[in-house]
Amino acid sequence: DAKTTQPPSMDCAEGRAANLPCNHSTISGNEYVYWYRQIHSQGPQYIIHGLKNNETNEMASLIITEDRKSSTLILPHATLRDTAVYYCIVRADWGAGSYQLTFGKGTKLSVIP
Amino acid sequence: NAGVTQTPKFRILKIGQSMTLQCTQDMNHNYMYWYRQDPGMGLKLIYYSVGAGITDKGEVPNGYNVSRSTTEDFPLRLELAAPSQTSVYFCASSSPKGQGPGTEAFFGQGTRLTVV
Repeated sequence: DAKTTQPPSMDCAEGRAANLPCNHSTISGNEYVYWYRQIHSQGPQYIIHGLKNNETNEMASLIITEDRKSSTLILPHATLRDTAVYYCIVRADWGAGSYQLTFGKGTKLSVIP
Repeated sequence: NAGVTQTPKFRILKIGQSMTLQCTQDMNHNYMYWYRQDPGMGLKLIYYSVGAGITDKGEVPNGYNVSRSTTEDFPLRLELAAPSQTSVYFCASSSPKGQGPGTEAFFGQGTRLTVV
C-alpha cells in the first residue's frame, strides 16, 4: 500500500467547513483513497472513498487532485461531534494487501465552539 | 442489527496467562479482521479471515491465534500473555465486492487489555 502523509492536528470552528489534507504521492493506479475516523478511542468509522472522481455522501466530500497525488476530505459544517482522529488510507480493492487497512497516526481534528 | 460485538470490553491479565477475545457479527459478512492499537498509534492488522475455515496472518501475528468455524464468530486467542500485548483490540468485518473485501469495514467497540 502507498504511504500517506497527514498533518498531526487541526482546529476548526464549529459550523465552518473542515478541510483535511492528505498526500499520497506514490499511489498506484488501482488504489483507492479511503477515509475513516475514530471518535474518542471507539472503533473506526468509514466515511468515504474514491478513485479519481470527486465523491460526496451524507457525511463528507472527497476531492482528489487530477494527478491523484493528494486529496482533501471536507466536512461542510463541522460540529463538536466531528472531533476525532481522521485517517487517510490508500488501498487496492482486490489482490494482495487489499484486506489490510493501513492506519497511520491520522489527523486529530478539534472542533472549537 | 447489533453489528460487530466484542467481549469483554476490559480485561487485566497477568504475565503468562491466556485468554480469548470474542468477536461476533450479525451482518453475514464473509471477511473478518483483528487489529490492535497501541497508545497514540494507528491500527495494525493481526489476523484476517475471508470465510469460515480460512484464516491468514496480518502484519503483527506473533503471540496470537485465531479460528473461524462459523461465519459469525472470529475469536482471537492470546497464549502466554506478555506486557507487549497491552493494547486495544478491534474486531471488524466487511462484505465482499467483486474480487476484494468490499469498500466499508465495520468495527466493534474494542477490548482494552492490560497485561501486568
